Amino acid sequence: QVTLKESGPGILQPSHTLSLTCSFSGFSLSTYGMGVSWIRQPSGKGLEWLASIWWNGNTYNNPSLKSRLTVSKDTSNNQAFLKVTSVDTADTATYYCAHTRYSSYIHYFDYWGQGVMVTVSS
Amino acid sequence: DIQMTQTPSSMPASLGERVTISCRASQGISNYLNWYQQKPDGTIKPLIYYTSNLQSGVPSRFSGSGSGTDYSLTISSLEPEDFAMYYCQQYDSSPWTFGGGTKLELK
Repeated sequence: QVTLKESGPGILQPSHTLSLTCSFSGFSLSTYGMGVSWIRQPSGKGLEWLASIWWNGNTYNNPSLKSRLTVSKDTSNNQAFLKVTSVDTADTATYYCAHTRYSSYIHYFDYWGQGVMVTVSS
Repeated sequence: DIQMTQTPSSMPASLGERVTISCRASQGISNYLNWYQQKPDGTIKPLIYYTSNLQSGVPSRFSGSGSGTDYSLTISSLEPEDFAMYYCQQYDSSPWTFGGGTKLELK
């Protein structure tokens, strides 16, 4: 059974760096076709894909956040990480990590964490 | 970026009713389209992948169809647990983008 759980600071100040951890079980990020993605949702708004990291170490970021995003993984400990630098109030949102399934015609967020709320405030 | 437009943004409906939610892409996406359901507590559940393939465990009253730029999610007979937000998402080209959502409400 695949499960994921996000953890983070809850609240942080503008200009600081947001660090989030996705702890998961039920799959390995070293297995072909496996990935973990980060998606966020400001309160009352829609979903925005941020970044993905794949079994082979490849990463893909949403260009809208320019170079502020870094995704990484610790395969041994079944964790994935997201860092967002220079945060401001627009980064206030619930952040989700999701197991991402990949094959020829499929790119699918098929298991989601419960989400972690992050507030950027001075 | 490919823009995904969902209509309607909200839809009042009754138990047992058949409903269809539409999703239009700003350019053709070759059936690379997924659907998700979000409950009020924030829980997100995948429903359909690659336009019409039902996620394991999802009831057969859910179905997806479409091609080119136009796609739809249909629920054949609404159950109480179906009243939620629904999002489409394209994966034809990065960045992967979601529609703005459709809120299915009890009439």
